[in-house]
Amino acid sequence: GDSVTQMEGPVTLSEEAFLTINCTYTATGYPSLFWYVQYPGEGLQLLLKATKADDKGSNKGFEATYRKETTSFHLEKGSVQVSDSAVYFCALNNQGGKLIFGQGTELSVKP
Amino acid sequence: DAGVIQSPRHEVTEMGQEVTLRCKPISGHDYLFWYRQTMMRGLELLIYFNNNVPIDDSGMPEDRFSAKMPNASFSTLKIQPSEPRDSAVYFCASGLNTGSGNTIYFGEGSWLTVV
Repeated sequence: GDSVTQMEGPVTLSEEAFLTINCTYTATGYPSLFWYVQYPGEGLQLLLKATKADDKGSNKGFEATYRKETTSFHLEKGSVQVSDSAVYFCALNNQGGKLIFGQGTELSVKP
Repeated sequence: DAGVIQSPRHEVTEMGQEVTLRCKPISGHDYLFWYRQTMMRGLELLIYFNNNVPIDDSGMPEDRFSAKMPNASFSTLKIQPSEPRDSAVYFCASGLNTGSGNTIYFGEGSWLTVV
């Protein structure tokens, strides 16, 4: 079945460091790919999405490119802030009506 | 739009009691999802509805759990009787015609503690 695998956390970075959180997926067909973010004590919020190969999703300085050849959707940000500390979830939707989530990656940014 | 609205936000109950969690999806959305989140198991899909009809309840842990969607603007998740291992954050989410590219929106969650 379809699945999503994320790099394990926690990831700890200093402010202004470069961020990469790896995400790979297994799916038949052409799923849509998403990154959600969960701040402490809150629900999940959509961060960005991409619907087809080579699409780049971007928001708030974060970006991810849909790479079908490597079945990946890695999240990147050039300069992280303390306020980016959260848990990040990669997910896919393969036209089955539901999102399939990775296990989440906790990011901690230190000043 | 007000977003997905869940209630209660926090609930502490004693083992054996019935718990009812409520959800109002975003108006016009035709999919509704119930998720559970714990440290040990992460984010789990319990059940989801399409046009008020349950489509997949394979994630419902056992018969103590039940979910209903009597109309397009309301859903409940009930646990009876509750047990300490049910302590978790329960999220409701809704989406519109979730084919390629459509997005699911989450509520703030109901934080359940069973003592």
